[in-house]
Amino acid sequence: EVQLVESGGGLVQPGGSLRLSCAASGFTFSCCSLHWVRQTPGKGLEFVSGISANGLSTFYADSVKDRFIVSRDNSQNTLYLQMGSLRADDLAVYYCARIGLSDWYDYWGQGALVTVSS
Amino acid sequence: EIVLTQSPATLSLSPGERATLSCRASQSISRYLAWYQQKPGQAPRLLISDASNRVTGIPARFSGSGSGTDFTLTISSLEPEDFAVYYCHQRSNWPRTFGQGTNLEIK
Repeated sequence: EVQLVESGGGLVQPGGSLRLSCAASGFTFSCCSLHWVRQTPGKGLEFVSGISANGLSTFYADSVKDRFIVSRDNSQNTLYLQMGSLRADDLAVYYCARIGLSDWYDYWGQGALVTVSS
Repeated sequence: EIVLTQSPATLSLSPGERATLSCRASQSISRYLAWYQQKPGQAPRLLISDASNRVTGIPARFSGSGSGTDFTLTISSLEPEDFAVYYCHQRSNWPRTFGQGTNLEIK
C-alpha cells in the first residue's frame, strides 16, 4: 500500500524556518516525481514545489521561490521541504503528493499544518 | 497562470439525485484536467484524469467530460458518501493550478 507521511509542521514566528519531511513507503520511491501542495481556507489548493524522480530538477511557485528548497533522499525514501523567511501567508496545510504514471497526483499524504505567527 | 473557475460554489442535493459540477479554464487546456474529491480532514483523492478517465476503484456513477476550456464532473445518482468538496486541476500549463472547489452538500 502506498503511503506518504508528512512530519515537521508546527508553529513558527514570521521570518523563521521549518523543515517538512515526507516519508514514503509501498512503492519504488525513485520512480516518481514528488510535489508539495498546500491548502489554505482563503486560496484553496496551491502548487508549492516539485522535484523530479532523480532529484536533478526542481520547481517552485513564484510565491516561494528563493525562500523554499525542495530535496529528496532516494536512499531514505524521504522528501523534504526546507522553508525559510516564513510569512503569515505561508500558513497552510502542506501535502506531499506523488506524480503517478498518468502524470497526475495519485497519492497524497495526510498533511502537515504550518502556522506562522508571533 | 491558468485560472480554473468552478461552479456552483455550493450545490445542495439529496441522495439519489444527479450532480453536475462545472470547471472552466481561462484558456484552452486540451484534456489536461483532473477531478479530486476531498472530505473533511482528508487529503484530496483523484477521481478522474485526463478529463474523462475514471481512476481504478472509483465507482461508475462518477464521470467526466469536456475539453478545451469547459469541463463537467457528473455523479449520476448521489450516495451519502459522495457529499464532499470537489476540485478540478490542470497540468496543461506551468504552474499546475486548481479550481476553488464546489461544496456538494446534503439538501
